[in-house]
Amino acid sequence: DQQVKQNSPSLSVQEGRISILNCDYTNSMFDYFLWYKKYPAEGPTFLISISSIKDKNEDGRFTVFLNKSAKHLSLHIVPSQPGDSAVYFCAASLYNNNDMRFGAGTRLTVKP
Amino acid sequence: EAQVTQNPRYLITVTGKKLTVTCSQNMNHEYMSWYRQDPGLGLRQIYYSMNVEVTDKGDVPEGYKVSRKEKRNFPLILESPSPNQTSLYFCASSPHRAPFPEQYFGPGTRLTVT
Repeated sequence: DQQVKQNSPSLSVQEGRISILNCDYTNSMFDYFLWYKKYPAEGPTFLISISSIKDKNEDGRFTVFLNKSAKHLSLHIVPSQPGDSAVYFCAASLYNNNDMRFGAGTRLTVKP
Repeated sequence: EAQVTQNPRYLITVTGKKLTVTCSQNMNHEYMSWYRQDPGLGLRQIYYSMNVEVTDKGDVPEGYKVSRKEKRNFPLILESPSPNQTSLYFCASSPHRAPFPEQYFGPGTRLTVT
């Protein structure tokens, strides 16, 4: 049973526009959420995170939004750049627990 | 350079032939874990270790073993590999316990079992 779901396997956007990647989770006990970025032939790298006590966290061009009532989070990339083309994984964990659940990933393609 | 290394990067083997994938980190991290990545399923945790001599099962531990005799190393052992263990494997480590569980991943090991 996948507790973290990324329902869009792929997303294509034009350079300079906004990319919005979505993630849903089923376990209301999750209280820490992360996004990882993965390039081909490399391991995932941490991108940005958000605690359940917040509804928004921003880091440069990347913003993560959390809607706890809807059990939904999203990653916004503005403006999108070709170098952002990668697979993005959403992950969730429980407080005081390193055990992490990952979504299936969304492949983002940013076209020049 | 701070990193997580895995060896080998690619491995093709036959059913039943024992193999070990090594994982090492040079960041003095306490927490280490193994994941497998399969299409449509994302990353699923196999085993994790909170510290030396402390290991625990993740979501999909069947057919795998691990050991944590030293802080820096966390090998993954397949005693009798089967074709359903063909996958992309990642080792990861973390300096913190929750609630800051950002993990550092190795480059991956692509395993094919025929």
